[in-house]
Amino acid sequence: GNSVTQMEGPVTLSEEAFLTINCTYTATGYPSLFWYVQYPGEGLQLLLKATKADDKGSNKGFEATYRKETTSFHLEKGSVQVSDSAVYFCALVQNTGFQKLVFGTGTRLLVSP
Amino acid sequence: GAVVSQHPSWVICKSGTSVKIECRSLDFQATTMFWYRQFPKQSLMLMATSNEGSKATYEQGVEKDKFLINHASLTLSTLTVTSAHPEDSSFYICSARDKPVTDRYGYTFGSGTRLTVV
Repeated sequence: GNSVTQMEGPVTLSEEAFLTINCTYTATGYPSLFWYVQYPGEGLQLLLKATKADDKGSNKGFEATYRKETTSFHLEKGSVQVSDSAVYFCALVQNTGFQKLVFGTGTRLLVSP
Repeated sequence: GAVVSQHPSWVICKSGTSVKIECRSLDFQATTMFWYRQFPKQSLMLMATSNEGSKATYEQGVEKDKFLINHASLTLSTLTVTSAHPEDSSFYICSARDKPVTDRYGYTFGSGTRLTVV
């Protein structure tokens, strides 16, 4: 079946540090890939997405590239801010069939001043 | 952009009572809505998928009679937790999907409902 594996957190960084959160997936065919962010006590917000191999999703300084050869979709940001502290979820959806989102376990990011 | 409104944002109820959570798509028609449950510091667990006008499809291990889902219109889905018990306390999140033919928005999430059963 489909699955998403994320690095365990928490990831603790100082402001302006470089961020990488690893995400790999297992799926048949060609899924679409997503990163969602959840701030404390809130629902999920779409951060970025990529729908085919070699696509790069980007938003608010965050980037992730759909790498089919390594089945990865790592999230990166060059300079994190305190306001980026949140939980980040990697997810995939098959582009056929019932199209249910499959989430990774989430990675908590803590950024200190 | 797409907005999904979920109410209430938090609710406290007594054990044995029922609680209804509403999920509305405000500016698009949602053919499919998803209900998730999230335990503290854990990922989202899909509970059920509902399509407008038809019965919900529940994931394995989710009690249909305890978690009643109704998707009566293209903009509204409700989750009713019946005869709630303390172990039902959790964070419930809905997600709505735009019509497949346009699929402008993909998946949009509500802000979640914190249920506490005492």
